[in-house]
Amino acid sequence: AQTVTQSQPEMSVQEAETVTLSCTYDTSENNYYLFWYKQPPSRQMILVIRQEAYKQQNATENRFSVNFQKAAKSFSLKISDSQLGDTAMYFCAFMKGFGNEKLTFGTGTRLTIIP
Amino acid sequence: EAQVTQNPRYLITVTGKKLTVTCSQNMNHEYMSWYRQDPGLGLRQIYYSMNVEVTDKGDVPEGYKVSRKEKRNFPLILESPSPNQTSLYFCASSLGRSNQPQHFGDGTRLSIL
Repeated sequence: AQTVTQSQPEMSVQEAETVTLSCTYDTSENNYYLFWYKQPPSRQMILVIRQEAYKQQNATENRFSVNFQKAAKSFSLKISDSQLGDTAMYFCAFMKGFGNEKLTFGTGTRLTIIP
Repeated sequence: EAQVTQNPRYLITVTGKKLTVTCSQNMNHEYMSWYRQDPGLGLRQIYYSMNVEVTDKGDVPEGYKVSRKEKRNFPLILESPSPNQTSLYFCASSLGRSNQPQHFGDGTRLSIL
């Protein structure tokens, strides 16, 4: 079974600074996908960024980028130029590459952006 | 607008009173799934469906039932709710191909007294 670990329950950072959220996972699969989801106070689940395990290049979406280290099973999220709207719970998630598209989630990191 | 719609958004009820949380998607997605979110545990899959009439258990199926009679609908049924089913519930759907993202509903907050 896969497990996803987020070791930072809470983080805070000043507006405009850069913050990195950590995520590690454990799997015996070779083909899989990794995700970061954002859950603001409205409690919607919003996909932030996605990484395919077979791609060596780190995914980037505007101010959001990942550092994917497949051998170390690490998948951290970097938020640059943080904004007040980035305040949310962030979940790291894993999905196998076939069959049930179950997302295995970490326990989340609550990020607060301080004005 | 492409969306996954859950109803109700909030529900307070009592132990043992059967309830159904509906989920409907308008994207012709084959795959649908239910998750529950609890503090300190993240989201955990309850049931999923790969297509019409095809459903299977996720990680925490006890106390829940589902059905998939139509492609667009995937209701979650609590036949005899108990307080430990108090949680935030999410329905999700996707095309069923791993390179396509999953779409989540806005969540249903259930309180079982």
